[in-house]
Amino acid sequence: DAEITQSPRHKITETGRQVTLACHQTWNHNNMFWYRQDLGHGLRLIHYSYGVQDTNKGEVSDGYSVSRSNTEDLPLTLESAASSQTSVYFCASSESGGTAYNEQFFGPGTRLTVL
Amino acid sequence: LAKTTQPISMDSYEGQEVNITCSHNNIATNDYITWYQQFPSQGPRFIIQGYKTKVTNEVASLFIPADRKSSTLSLPRVSLSDTAVYYCLVGDRSGYSTLTFGKGTMLLVSP
Repeated sequence: DAEITQSPRHKITETGRQVTLACHQTWNHNNMFWYRQDLGHGLRLIHYSYGVQDTNKGEVSDGYSVSRSNTEDLPLTLESAASSQTSVYFCASSESGGTAYNEQFFGPGTRLTVL
Repeated sequence: LAKTTQPISMDSYEGQEVNITCSHNNIATNDYITWYQQFPSQGPRFIIQGYKTKVTNEVASLFIPADRKSSTLSLPRVSLSDTAVYYCLVGDRSGYSTLTFGKGTMLLVSP
């Protein structure tokens, strides 16, 4: 069965370190997304991609970067981790095409703690 | 961008029907209305999507009035396992950059 996975599921790091969160999907979806979820804020979009070599900034992109070298993966990098980036991170993917907002399939999440 | 407003929380009992209303006064002609469900420690899960009138699937019904300025998610005969956060989203495929999940509605189902 197709799925979307994230790794690691839990990560503790120190302020200033570079951290990369992995996201891998086997749906063969063109669209991929990264969100963060914090208490009181719901889910907020960090970056998204409509296909290979395409990346776009979302609502809260400062301090984060992504790259899309293939269809299956969209790694999220925190260049220099800050305590404000302690959060739960969700990756999602969706089909492209059509006129409706296409259903997003979410991964299980990565809980990141920056000390 | 169509902003949505929904109640912060709702309480219900097992076996009851629950209706969660979402207000979206600025909905655009091309926008669809989509609802997601999120359980603790999990990613959101698509429930239902509609454009107008009524949509029903095995999980829920979605009622959209003619003016489309609001929508109501209806969960028939809820159980304890329906305790979750429910998000209302409004937009189309061209608006991923502006689609927001907001804070959702926390539904607590009690015995």
